Amino acid sequence: QQKVQQSPESLIVPEGAMTSLNCTFSDSASQYFAWYRQHSGKAPKALMSIFSNGEKEEGRFTIHLNKASLHFSLHIRDSQPSDSALYLCAPGNMGYKLTFGTGTSLLVDP
Amino acid sequence: EAAVTQSPRNKVAVTGGKVTLSCNQTNNHNNMYWYRQDTGHGLRLIHYSYGAGSTEKGDIPDGYKASRPSQENFSLILELATPSQTSVYFCASGDEWGNYAEQFFGPGTRLTVL
Repeated sequence: QQKVQQSPESLIVPEGAMTSLNCTFSDSASQYFAWYRQHSGKAPKALMSIFSNGEKEEGRFTIHLNKASLHFSLHIRDSQPSDSALYLCAPGNMGYKLTFGTGTSLLVDP
Repeated sequence: EAAVTQSPRNKVAVTGGKVTLSCNQTNNHNNMYWYRQDTGHGLRLIHYSYGAGSTEKGDIPDGYKASRPSQENFSLILELATPSQTSVYFCASGDEWGNYAEQFFGPGTRLTVL
């Protein structure tokens, strides 16, 4: 069974700062790597994802993936108060299944 | 925008009672999933389905059954509810990995078992 760990558990950053969130996974056969964001009391919503080693940027958000290290990360540039949420990483494997981490709770202080 | 709805949104049940949570999607996705979310455990997969008539066990299936009678509908059944099943339950739909493999979540059902 896939093991997924996220760090840190919680984070407070000032508005405008760079935020970095980390995710390690155990299954080297994982094929798909996603980040979901969940605002308080709401459903999780996909933020961005990557299939191949390297980096992918969409607006203020960047994913880094290093399959050999079993690690991927999310970086948020110019963090905004609206970015305050629970961030869930989710590697996916055969069978179109995702295994979610326990999340990083981010608070952006205006 | 993909649409996944769940009913009921809130449910209070008694220990030993039967509970059915329903999920409907209008995305024509093949795959549907049931998760529960508890503080400290994140989202955990209970059951999933690849299409009408199919159900598969997820990571924590004990105490739960699932039913997929059609492409659009996927139910989660608790035959004998226990207080340990108090949680928030999310249904999601998604398709095969491709360039875009997002899962779309419903709004969640808050279940309390007394």
